[in-house]
Amino acid sequence: DGGITQSPKYLFRKEGQNVTLSCEQNLNHDAMYWYRQDPGQGLRLIYYSQIVNDFQKGDIAEGYSVSREKKESFPLTVTSAQKNPTAFYLCASTLSGNQPQHFGDGTRLSIL
Amino acid sequence: QQQVKQSPQSLIVQKGGISIINCAYENTAFDYFPWYQQFPGKGPALLIAIRPDVSEKKEGRFTISFNKSAKQFSLHIMDSQPGDSATYFCAASRPTGGGNKLTFGTGTQLKVEL
Repeated sequence: DGGITQSPKYLFRKEGQNVTLSCEQNLNHDAMYWYRQDPGQGLRLIYYSQIVNDFQKGDIAEGYSVSREKKESFPLTVTSAQKNPTAFYLCASTLSGNQPQHFGDGTRLSIL
Repeated sequence: QQQVKQSPQSLIVQKGGISIINCAYENTAFDYFPWYQQFPGKGPALLIAIRPDVSEKKEGRFTISFNKSAKQFSLHIMDSQPGDSATYFCAASRPTGGGNKLTFGTGTQLKVEL
């Protein structure tokens, strides 16, 4: 089945540690996105990529980094510079143009 | 600056009743307005969407009403069922070259009681 796979479902980070969240899609979508969800704040855009080897900062990019080496993959690294990383992280993708975004089932990141 | 305002924050409706969630936006560059439904521990799923050239769109029990001049849109869930209990997000989209950028409302927790 086509879809968006995020892994792991739960992730724990130690102080000063970088962690990487995986997002893979087999929908042949061009654009991919990373959002952060906090209670009562909706979803906020971290980074997005419209084409391989290119990506742009969203509204809350500080403390995060991404790469887009393959069309189907868009991993997100939460660096030690992100001081409040505890959140639910969601990956989405869409065909080019004004088409709906489809979401994975998220990764919940917590601090040890 | 919050660009999409959503209300109410939470809503309790009796089974069979009508659930109404409202959103307002500021940026006139938005040209696509989806609603997402999210269950606990899951990602948001597209429920229904509308473009500003129509004032209403209905899909089953779900209807979007859109008022372009007022920059407001709303979701109506008719004959609400306990299985509709979830968090609902409105969003507004604007194109960005090869894709689009979504701005989300803060969400409405809907509970449908028996």
